[in-house]
Amino acid sequence: DTAVSQTPKYLVTQMGNDKSIKCEQNLGHDTMYWYKQDSKKFLKIMFSYNNKELIINETVPNRFSPKSPDKAHLNLHINSLELGDSAVYFCASSQTGLATEAFFGQGTRLTVV
Amino acid sequence: QKEVEQDPGPLSVPEGAIVSLNCTYSNSAFQYFMWYRQYSRKGPELLMYTYSSGNKEDGRFTAQVDKSSKYISLFIRDSQPSDSATYLCAMSAGYQLIWGAGTKLIIKP
Repeated sequence: DTAVSQTPKYLVTQMGNDKSIKCEQNLGHDTMYWYKQDSKKFLKIMFSYNNKELIINETVPNRFSPKSPDKAHLNLHINSLELGDSAVYFCASSQTGLATEAFFGQGTRLTVV
Repeated sequence: QKEVEQDPGPLSVPEGAIVSLNCTYSNSAFQYFMWYRQYSRKGPELLMYTYSSGNKEDGRFTAQVDKSSKYISLFIRDSQPSDSATYLCAMSAGYQLIWGAGTKLIIKP
């Protein structure tokens, strides 16, 4: 049973396109996150939702829009993709909003060409 | 200066050696300290979680937190080739995890 699953695993798309990444967790956690990991492996928080409410909204371009239809799902929509958006995007969840003991998905490797 | 500093490595050691991985930080408000392991093309997985100062042991892994020096460590005893991965430290004062850049560890058979 996959705890945090995200789709797709790989995404190759052209500049200017709009794409979505989906995430689902079956751990019953209240908090979900989107992270971006660059080529140097540095993890950067993008968004965090607690019970469907946005609690962390870091400085990311407004082309990135998260959506949480329920506490088990957190999707990421990206408009007008740019070359610099190429990275691995990780979804994660944790039991509380204290951000400890986060469980990560496998990642979505996004390549913009 | 970054809030969390971690040497990216790579750190290469022979099998069976004791490995020491470290992070320093600047924010004295951090109370929660975590070590994650990330294999290539996988998501990070939690290894150790420590609240405040002190030591915590789990099998071959020991995590240490020295809040007075703002320094945390992860020790791996009897290292195995399967321990080869990137090790990321992370810490938190509340709602947000602040991450180190990760240290790439290579255990040579």
